[in-house]
Amino acid sequence: NAGVTQTPKFQVLKTGQSMTLQCAQDMNHEYMSWYRQDPGMGLRLIHYSVGAGITDQGEVPNGYNVSRSTTEDFPLRLLSAAPSQTSVYFCASSTPRWGTDTQYFGPGTRLTVL
Amino acid sequence: GDSVTQMEGPVTLSEEAFLTINCTYTATGYPSLFWYVQYPGEGLQLLLKATKADDKGSNKGFEATYRKETTSFHLEKGSVQVSDSAVYFCALSGGNSGYSTLTFGKGTMLLVSP
Repeated sequence: NAGVTQTPKFQVLKTGQSMTLQCAQDMNHEYMSWYRQDPGMGLRLIHYSVGAGITDQGEVPNGYNVSRSTTEDFPLRLLSAAPSQTSVYFCASSTPRWGTDTQYFGPGTRLTVL
Repeated sequence: GDSVTQMEGPVTLSEEAFLTINCTYTATGYPSLFWYVQYPGEGLQLLLKATKADDKGSNKGFEATYRKETTSFHLEKGSVQVSDSAVYFCALSGGNSGYSTLTFGKGTMLLVSP
């Protein structure tokens, strides 16, 4: 199992550009989520999904879109990048089965917006 | 809403010293509690967890006990090593936010010197 994978590892964008951060998991997990990590702020939830076709907003959703067309993939779209979106982005997955709610994290994408 | 408060860092210790990182939480119901660790340049790894009151999670010499009466989940280790230098995050699931996502504290950096 590869677990949770994220691409790219690093990305530099100019203000106003758009891009998609990819996230995939091969554990057949129902739940997937996106967090951003900023210095002194911990990790904050952007969007999450409890299954294919179902998404919801987290604490800091503005400027981001998500969709979940398959169980495996949960891409995060930046529609018009802003310097405030410079951050490290983590994708995570988990399952409610077997009485466990442990979240498994990808390696992260470091995004810089100039 | 749910919240997690952990002590600010950095915490600086000499090798073999005793470690305590305080964590308290606010949540309704019966949340699960977690400690995640992030080594430099890496993603988050689950260190330990506890799912009900008075449970003790343990891993790699680290321990934390779920104390519902004090709403706390303090991380301890009897003898730290240089290799324990990392950022430690306390987190919860359940409560108001459900079990599909995590609410994180801001993280505590631990620096261990030889």
